Amino acid sequence: EVQLVESGGGLVQPGGSLRLSCVASGFTFRSYAMNWVRQAPGKGLECVSAASPTGGSTYYADSVRGRFTISRDNSKNSLFLQMNSLRAEDTALYYCVKGGDAGDYWGQGTLVTVSS
Amino acid sequence: QSALTQPASVSGSPGQSITISCTGTSSDVGMYNYVSWYQHHPGKAPKLVIYDVDKRPSGVSHRFAGSKSGNTASLTISGLQAEDESDYYCSSYTSSSIWMFGGGTKVTVL
Repeated sequence: EVQLVESGGGLVQPGGSLRLSCVASGFTFRSYAMNWVRQAPGKGLECVSAASPTGGSTYYADSVRGRFTISRDNSKNSLFLQMNSLRAEDTALYYCVKGGDAGDYWGQGTLVTVSS
Repeated sequence: QSALTQPASVSGSPGQSITISCTGTSSDVGMYNYVSWYQHHPGKAPKLVIYDVDKRPSGVSHRFAGSKSGNTASLTISGLQAEDESDYYCSSYTSSSIWMFGGGTKVTVL
């Protein structure tokens, strides 16, 4: 059974940093692209970052480029999102999502709240 | 990067068919056959119901069908059931190598 378990969310002040983690199981992690998708309160879904199977290619939405960094440790079946210079508009539920063409498995999400 | 355009809401009676449109550009929907649709019940993780424009994942009802013409994709739900009431999001792979989502459509079963 595929499982994606996110952690690392919490309350942070504007300008602060957080590092999200996602541990994967039930599939060959190193063979698949992985993504971070967020949903702000009352808003729709937004893909903020993607990583190729090796992690050698990474991609970002304009809204987070230069502030967020995606990485992965295939030896530990783990995906990460380092979030710096956080803003109020980054407040959202962040999902770890498996897939390249489409997101076939999603975690339950970890909540990030940016507020003073 | 602008979100794909979906109607805010669509409704139908049990047994009817409804169609949700998803309009993008020549850099996303029009360029790639990598359009997907997700059903999202509040408080739960989104569920993939259509991928690669018109393919259904294992376990997804045949009542869900996807299509695409030019820069617009569509999701049709036939034989509408109460359990289909949910939010639906379209998504497309883009020339920026990440997914672009639509704004979401709330489906109401009357």
